[in-house]
Amino acid sequence: DTAVSQTPKYLVTQMGNDKSIKCEQNLGHDTMYWYKQDSKKFLKIMFSYNNKELIINETVPNRFSPKSPDKAHLNLHINSLELGDSAVYFCASKGGTGTGGFGEKLFFGSGTQLSVL
Amino acid sequence: AQTVTQSQPEMSVQEAETVTLSCTYDTSESDYYLFWYKQPPSRQMILVIRQEAYKQQNATENRFSVNFQKAAKSFSLKISDSQLGDAAMYFCAYRLGSNFGNEKLTFGTGTRLTIIP
Repeated sequence: DTAVSQTPKYLVTQMGNDKSIKCEQNLGHDTMYWYKQDSKKFLKIMFSYNNKELIINETVPNRFSPKSPDKAHLNLHINSLELGDSAVYFCASKGGTGTGGFGEKLFFGSGTQLSVL
Repeated sequence: AQTVTQSQPEMSVQEAETVTLSCTYDTSESDYYLFWYKQPPSRQMILVIRQEAYKQQNATENRFSVNFQKAAKSFSLKISDSQLGDAAMYFCAYRLGSNFGNEKLTFGTGTRLTIIP
């Protein structure tokens, strides 16, 4: 079973459209993240949620809206897509206190490659 | 703000030889964690090794080991007996030692490692 699964793996869309990327983790983790990897492979955090609450919002345009219906899911909705949104988006999760300590590693999904035309 | 610097955009090594990837970081914190992640062409982010800042002993995982120099804020990765499957982008990453969901991984810009048969 995949620990962190993202759908879709590839997303090609026109500028101006609205799209969503879904993420689910079956690890029982408390914390989930969205990271963006740009064309130069640079990875940067966008959001983190802890038990469905938004904890980190790294100056991401408000066209990006994360939603966490429960602690196992963190979806990313993007409105009015722009060319510069083309990137690979990674979802990740991490256990909380008592599940291995502060050095608990992040489990990453396999990424969603978004191409805006 | 914490920053992570990888000064080698690309490295190559002969199969079965040893290679060292460099990473330096900047932080004013004393409690933190350092990681090396590998990203093969499949795009999956795979944890290679991690180091707790409070531990003086360098972490090792089979053919992978680190040289952690806390005072110099240096965290290099040594890959011994390089194999073709080691070819990938390698990312150094830093994380604060908290556990409330407000910590985040800060990544370096990556080093692309090529293995020469």
